[in-house]
Amino acid sequence: GQQVMQIPQYQHVQEGEDFTTYCNSSTTLSNIQWYKQRPGGHPVFLIQLVKSGEVKKQKRLTFQFGEAKKNSSLHITATQTTDVGTYFCAGPRSGGSNYKLTFGKGTLLTVNP
Amino acid sequence: DAGVIQSPRHEVTEMGQEVTLRCKPISGHNSLFWYRQTMMRGLELLIYFNNNVPIDDSGMPEDRFSAKMPNASFSTLKIQPSEPRDSAVYFCASSSKIDQPQHFGDGTRLSIL
Repeated sequence: GQQVMQIPQYQHVQEGEDFTTYCNSSTTLSNIQWYKQRPGGHPVFLIQLVKSGEVKKQKRLTFQFGEAKKNSSLHITATQTTDVGTYFCAGPRSGGSNYKLTFGKGTLLTVNP
Repeated sequence: DAGVIQSPRHEVTEMGQEVTLRCKPISGHNSLFWYRQTMMRGLELLIYFNNNVPIDDSGMPEDRFSAKMPNASFSTLKIQPSEPRDSAVYFCASSSKIDQPQHFGDGTRLSIL
């Protein structure tokens, strides 16, 4: 079945350093969604990418969807302690009438102040 | 606007007992999802409903798990009998349409002793 892989599993950075997490799918995705989960919290939707090669920015966060629509990345510039959490990508099963969103295992980001 | 509301927030019970988790989706949302999150397996989709109808329950671990959605504003996930390996955080999420971003509740932290 479809798999969504994320790397790295963990990333520890000093405050002010940049951070990138990568998401790879075994199948082509119609879209990809990114979520953030703070420690002890629940996943919160960040953004959805739909078009091949799409790039979207949210302040210090840059999201990219690959040309082949099988990979995506999230880059955070100049991390802050408020960025701490687990970042998940999620992609829907492509084709068919049975829609199902598959989440990656996530990348846990910790930031040293 | 109220978000997705789950109850209880925490549940500790002995194995063999019946556990019922409850969810109220965001008003107007047509799709509802039940997830289980553990360190080992990450975020797993258990079942989802569209317009109160169960669409995909392939993620339900076994017959001990059942879910219902009697109306558009209420859903339950039941485990009977519960086992220690069911200990996890259970999230309910809803979305306006099946392929739209999902809004998660705060989750139920379940411990089976």
